[in-house]
Amino acid sequence: NAGVMQNPRHLVRRRGQEARLRCSPMKGHSHVYWYRQLPEEGLKFMVYLQKENIIDESGMPKERFSAEFPKEGPSILRIQQVVRGDSAAYFCASSVNNSPLHFGNGTRLTVT
Amino acid sequence: GESVGLHLPTLSVQEGDNSIINCAYSNSASDYFIWYKQESGKGPQFIIDIRSNMDKRQGQRVTVLLNKTVKHLSLQIAATQPGDSAVYFCAESRPTGNQFYFGTGTSLTVIP
Repeated sequence: NAGVMQNPRHLVRRRGQEARLRCSPMKGHSHVYWYRQLPEEGLKFMVYLQKENIIDESGMPKERFSAEFPKEGPSILRIQQVVRGDSAAYFCASSVNNSPLHFGNGTRLTVT
Repeated sequence: GESVGLHLPTLSVQEGDNSIINCAYSNSASDYFIWYKQESGKGPQFIIDIRSNMDKRQGQRVTVLLNKTVKHLSLQIAATQPGDSAVYFCAESRPTGNQFYFGTGTSLTVIP
């Protein structure tokens, strides 16, 4: 039973480019969460989605960041016009109701 | 060895000793708590959880204690091993929203 799959593992973008991070949840999981982590820091919540719906995006920056979880396919976290401050590890997690989050191994974004 | 997660983010213990990692949570309405372990370059990994109707729960070499009166959670690791070296996060969840809030983390180093 495959766990949460994130790709790519590493992503390098130049300032101004777009970054697309993908997350396939565990089989049967309908809840997807995105977290951001800077080196030596904790996990900062960004957005919580269920299929085709954004449930809570209170942690998302107001501009340049968007997320989706379509009926078919993986969840996508999209960052437009990346800046150096976007460099971080982005973790996706999935769950079912009232159960622990299961995390992927993250995408490490570097903006040059 | 013992630490308070929010004030002492690092903890060093001798191999074979017991470790205690502490976490203060913020919301008295939180009813579900999870400990995660994060090794370098990986996503957080579920260790043990506890619901608010319990004070203590034991797993293999780990015990979680919950004190709702003072909003405090601790993780005890028995006979700490080098493989236990990692950052440990507590997470809390509330009855509404399926949302998880993470603490800042404690870095545990086991000295052989």
